[in-house]
Amino acid sequence: SQKIEQNSEALNIQEGKTATLTCNYTNYSPAYLQWYRQDPGRGPVFLLLIRENEKEKRKERLKVTFDTTLKQSLFHITASQPADSATYLCARGGSQGNLIFGKGTKLSVKP
Amino acid sequence: DAMVIQNPRYQVTQFGKPVTLSCSQTLNHNVMYWYQQKSSQAPKLLFHYYDKDFNNEADTPDNFQSRRPNTSFCFLDIRSPGLGDAAMYLCATKPGQAGETQYFGPGTRLLVL
Repeated sequence: SQKIEQNSEALNIQEGKTATLTCNYTNYSPAYLQWYRQDPGRGPVFLLLIRENEKEKRKERLKVTFDTTLKQSLFHITASQPADSATYLCARGGSQGNLIFGKGTKLSVKP
Repeated sequence: DAMVIQNPRYQVTQFGKPVTLSCSQTLNHNVMYWYQQKSSQAPKLLFHYYDKDFNNEADTPDNFQSRRPNTSFCFLDIRSPGLGDAAMYLCATKPGQAGETQYFGPGTRLLVL
């Protein structure tokens, strides 16, 4: 089956360090992947989209990569801050134009 | 400034008592989605509308219905909630079928007693 997986349920890092989150996909080739941020009790908020022909995308302190050989996307937050603490969801497009999400990685940035 | 609004934010209902969750949008988007998200799980699509065309996911329980009376509003009706239906219900929109990014509301947390 076509899977999208975020293998780390949680990631704890120190303020100022770079957080790196991983998203893997199997048995298909997505045209794009998206990353969303979700705070407790809130809906997901779109952060970045990267297409299969793009190696890297940046937005302020955020960077996303797409490696079609490894079948993997990496999401980086540089100079992390406690305010970056949240759950980060990776998503691919579904057949209904919907999003199919990974389970997410809960990031905790300690001061 | 809110773009996708969900009411109520928290809903408590009794086992078997019908409940309706609402979603409205000021974006004038054609497509609206309802997702269910249980604790520590990924959001899962229940159904979606493209304008008035309704599309049900194959594994969405019959207990769940939806209505879209106009572009701005969409409702999720749970006819006989069970304990397993306790979850966060997320409404999302996007401009058209080909669009990729979705705009989510804040969600409604449903508790079934």
